[in-house]
Amino acid sequence: DSGVTQTPKHLITATGQRVTLRCSPRSGDLSVYWYQQSLDQGLQFLIQYYNGEERAKGNILERFSAQQFPDLHSELNLSSLELGDSALYFCASSGTSTKGETQYFGPGTRLLVL
Amino acid sequence: GQQVMQIPQYQHVQEGEDFTTYCNSSTTLSNIQWYKQRPGGHPVFLIQLVKSGEVKKQKRLTFQFGEAKKNSSLHITATQTTDVGTYFCAADTGNQFYFGTGTSLTVIP
Repeated sequence: DSGVTQTPKHLITATGQRVTLRCSPRSGDLSVYWYQQSLDQGLQFLIQYYNGEERAKGNILERFSAQQFPDLHSELNLSSLELGDSALYFCASSGTSTKGETQYFGPGTRLLVL
Repeated sequence: GQQVMQIPQYQHVQEGEDFTTYCNSSTTLSNIQWYKQRPGGHPVFLIQLVKSGEVKKQKRLTFQFGEAKKNSSLHITATQTTDVGTYFCAADTGNQFYFGTGTSLTVIP
């Protein structure tokens, strides 16, 4: 158990819909990262937040957005969903803003868009 | 753009054989990390390499960082069925952080 929690575990929705994925970092960690993992794309970095502020942006679509709240939990919002958005979405946390620091991954949210 | 390539993409070995995965970057790295993801699981941190030419060992696993800090390798000696999973390198350029494409290891008992 990494100490990072993600909800929900599974999500099934339809194209065009909007969903919110939630992540709680390890106790004391200030950084939260979001990743998308699909079969043909590997592990893609989406975005990083540090202590409530956006710190780094990766391959995140404009239809996707995220935020980190004062209690340090984070939400990833996916809108206008397409079939290709079906994937495993991981959240990871680390203690500082340094991307090279060890990241602890949550169990992931498996999203299926039908 | 910056890419981190891993080879091979897939590897099947007989139990007891050795296994190596290689990670190559187009730019010099600040550090490199290795993660293991078991089937159905999430990536788990294994090790971080920082210094040029660094070699670290964890039981049957040997990690190397190239002299130019552009490539790295993970070698497993005498694989066991518990080694099954996908091994990712994660490269820190100082500005960006990239996960490699991963090497999926299958160990045949």
